[in-house]
Amino acid sequence: AQSVAQPEDQVNVAEGNPLTVKCTYSVSGNPYLFWYVQYPNRGLQFLLKYITGDNLVKGSYGFEAEFNKSQTSFHLKKPSALVSDSALYFCAVRALQTGANNLFFGTGTRLTVIP
Amino acid sequence: GAVVSQHPSWVICKSGTSVKIECRSLDFQATTMFWYRQFPKQSLMLMATSNEGSKATYEQGVEKDKFLINHASLTLSTLTVTSAHPEDSSFYICSASVGGSYNEQFFGPGTRLTVL
Repeated sequence: AQSVAQPEDQVNVAEGNPLTVKCTYSVSGNPYLFWYVQYPNRGLQFLLKYITGDNLVKGSYGFEAEFNKSQTSFHLKKPSALVSDSALYFCAVRALQTGANNLFFGTGTRLTVIP
Repeated sequence: GAVVSQHPSWVICKSGTSVKIECRSLDFQATTMFWYRQFPKQSLMLMATSNEGSKATYEQGVEKDKFLINHASLTLSTLTVTSAHPEDSSFYICSASVGGSYNEQFFGPGTRLTVL
């Protein structure tokens, strides 16, 4: 079975400070991992994905995520947070080996960047 | 990037009526479309997966007779909530997938349904 855990419902960080949003996953076989961001009353916007290759993935808006196979984690990071980064962030996983391409989402982490 | 639209963006209806939500891939052909439901402060729950020209595959616990999905073309899928009730009020989000082994999903902006 595939699942994603985002252990923090809420993350607060001061503007200019580095931010981390945590994600761990469980999947049979190799994972296909995503981060999405959602602004109020909007759909999801793609930030970045990991399929294979370099464990550090760079994405949109200065975000990056590091794939750690031994810890089954895919934490989202940004060196310097902006107030405009405040939003709801979802981690998602899909097993590459399965025929289906549906994603399993975490419960989301609300990031608040304090001016 | 690939763009997915949804219409309407919000709808208010009376209990017992049916509501149709459209999901369109604007600049690509989507072999697969997904419908999700999102409750306040919760994650997205996959309702069903639809492939063009075939019947949708519903997730466990989702009533297929209540949530009718039609995927008539490679650019359009519709979700009809039949005989809507207040508990159907939610945010419905569709996504579309381009063909290929590493096909990622592109999400629509969502439709807010409120049933009175």
